Amino acid sequence: ETGVTQSPTHLIKTRGQQVTLRCSSQSGHNTVSWYQQALGQGPQFIFQYYREEENGRGNFPPRFSGLQFPNYSSELNVNALELDDSALYLCASSLVFGNEQFFGPGTRLTVL
Amino acid sequence: QKEVEQNSGPLSVPEGAIASLNCTYSDRGSQSFFWYRQYSGKSPELIMFIYSNGDKEDGRFTAQLNKASQYVSLLIRDSQPSDSATYLCAVNIAAGNKLTFGGGTRVLVKP
Repeated sequence: ETGVTQSPTHLIKTRGQQVTLRCSSQSGHNTVSWYQQALGQGPQFIFQYYREEENGRGNFPPRFSGLQFPNYSSELNVNALELDDSALYLCASSLVFGNEQFFGPGTRLTVL
Repeated sequence: QKEVEQNSGPLSVPEGAIASLNCTYSDRGSQSFFWYRQYSGKSPELIMFIYSNGDKEDGRFTAQLNKASQYVSLLIRDSQPSDSATYLCAVNIAAGNKLTFGGGTRVLVKP
């Protein structure tokens, strides 16, 4: 157990809907990164938050957005869901950016 | 060329043997290198990290880094059936803060 928690565990949405995924970082960690993992592939970096500011973004469209709160927990929001957004969404926390990242259990999103 | 490349496998290894996993990366500015283990349906679990050229050992695991050849490997000694999983290589480049992952190598340890 890494101490990183995510909710919900599973989620089913329909195309065009919006979704919010949540992550609580490990105690003492101030950096949260979000990744998308499609079936059979490695995780792909979405973005990272450090001290409530976005600190880097991968090749994902603006309909993927996020927040980090003063307690370092974080949200990932996805608007206008597409079928290809179906994936495992992983949150990882670290002490500072660039350091070892520890993953939560993930949220499995299915878009129908 | 992919930024981080791994052989997808499966790598079939007899119980008790050594499993050798390889990973190459394209960015010479890469600074940190990580190996994660991922069981089916679960999230990645960090098992090793290495920052300097050479070998780093932790229990049955040894990570090897050669920055000149842009190559990082993972050895699993005395492989056990519980080691059957997908192993993900991840790289953190100096100019960025993201982890770039390879596609993973699936390892099967047969009793």
